[in-house]
Amino acid sequence: DAKTTQPNSMESNEEEPVHLPCNHSTISGTDYIHWYRQLPSQGPEYVIHGLTSNVNNRMASLAIAEDRKSSTLILHRATLRDAAVYYCILSAGGTSYGKLTFGQGTILTVHP
Amino acid sequence: KAGVTQTPRYLIKTRGQQVTLSCSPISGHRSVSWYQQTPGQGLQFLFEYFSETQRNKGNFPGRFSGRQFSNSRSEMNVSTLELGDSALYLCASSRGDNSGNTIYFGEGSWLTVV
Repeated sequence: DAKTTQPNSMESNEEEPVHLPCNHSTISGTDYIHWYRQLPSQGPEYVIHGLTSNVNNRMASLAIAEDRKSSTLILHRATLRDAAVYYCILSAGGTSYGKLTFGQGTILTVHP
Repeated sequence: KAGVTQTPRYLIKTRGQQVTLSCSPISGHRSVSWYQQTPGQGLQFLFEYFSETQRNKGNFPGRFSGRQFSNSRSEMNVSTLELGDSALYLCASSRGDNSGNTIYFGEGSWLTVV
């Protein structure tokens, strides 16, 4: 399975933008890039995903490098509720349908 | 629409016993995956079912098994429980027909083995 690399932790101030990086140099052409976040004692929450083009939704934006070897999750205005562990994951089809390989993720701390 | 529902939310079992956990996927979703989360190992994939067939399996011993019913509801079973099986067990569902499908997780079942 293709692996992702994320910083262990990041900090931000409330109402400031946050850029969470992810490296995935071994990504294959059909792998989608997914982002999830998890609060303590809760299941992972879907944030956003994309294949090649940048993506926006009500929660965040996903910027994908042209060579797809890295991506950045952008939270436009961090709130205290955004403090969580953020996971960058690659999903593949074929024999890997339904299988997400989670790394350690990035712990995001948001300061008031 | 209703999300992924897991039952029970919390349970305590004794070593050597077995346990069955249930997962109801989002309506219309045919793929159900199971994950184990522990502080030491993080989130690990157990197996995935699609249309009642196991399509993918992680690296767990045979004590961990699952099945999926015709209505896409799924159960996982752990036999001969060990202390190390104490974990949060998460179920996730998706349409399962494309690697770009969004996968949604339930709140999990907390299992404590004593």
